[in-house]
Amino acid sequence: GQQLNQSPQSMFIQEGEDVSMNCTSSSIFNTWLWYKQDPGEGPVLLIALYKAGELTSNGRLTAQFGITRKDSFLNISASIPSDVGIYFCAGQLRGAQKLVFGQGTRLTINP
Amino acid sequence: SQTIHQWPATLVQPVGSPLSLECTVEGTSNPNLYWYRQAAGRGLQLLFYSVGIGQISSEVPQNLSASRPQDRQFILSSKKLLLSDSGFYLCAWSKLARNEQYFGPGTRLTVT
Repeated sequence: GQQLNQSPQSMFIQEGEDVSMNCTSSSIFNTWLWYKQDPGEGPVLLIALYKAGELTSNGRLTAQFGITRKDSFLNISASIPSDVGIYFCAGQLRGAQKLVFGQGTRLTINP
Repeated sequence: SQTIHQWPATLVQPVGSPLSLECTVEGTSNPNLYWYRQAAGRGLQLLFYSVGIGQISSEVPQNLSASRPQDRQFILSSKKLLLSDSGFYLCAWSKLARNEQYFGPGTRLTVT
């Protein structure tokens, strides 16, 4: 089946640093979504992207829908302790009812 | 506003016992519904999805089944649990013609 390559798999940063992660695919997607999952909870939708080149912000988070429609990026500025968790990208192929998920980026922040 | 509920929150079951996990959505009608499984520290594996009452699509051949007896109710079942069925089970919903999925709080299943 379709796969999304999400990187990095894990990140260890200092509080206050900026964070960047991305997802790539060999297929073209119509939608890119970014989720955050805290331990023991369900993923929470952070940002949804629907157009190639689209750049959307949600507070300190910014995500972009790649021009080629095969990738997406998530940036977190000035990280704080509550940003700790696992971040997942997800994409939807045209006409599909389901999402394809990346394997996640685990973010750890040292105070 | 819409909310999604799952129960139970945690479950410990012996191998060979039956399973029934329930998911309900409030505040919307005709949602698409999804069941995912997540192994510890891993990504999300889609198990089943449904676009309407009685309509179930299976993604992975396995020991599990799903049913949708009502518009906003989605049930995950097994007749005989295996050790490999342990994991974190997540239900999600989306609006028809929209791609954003919203997840429930999950059920932690441990098969012993």
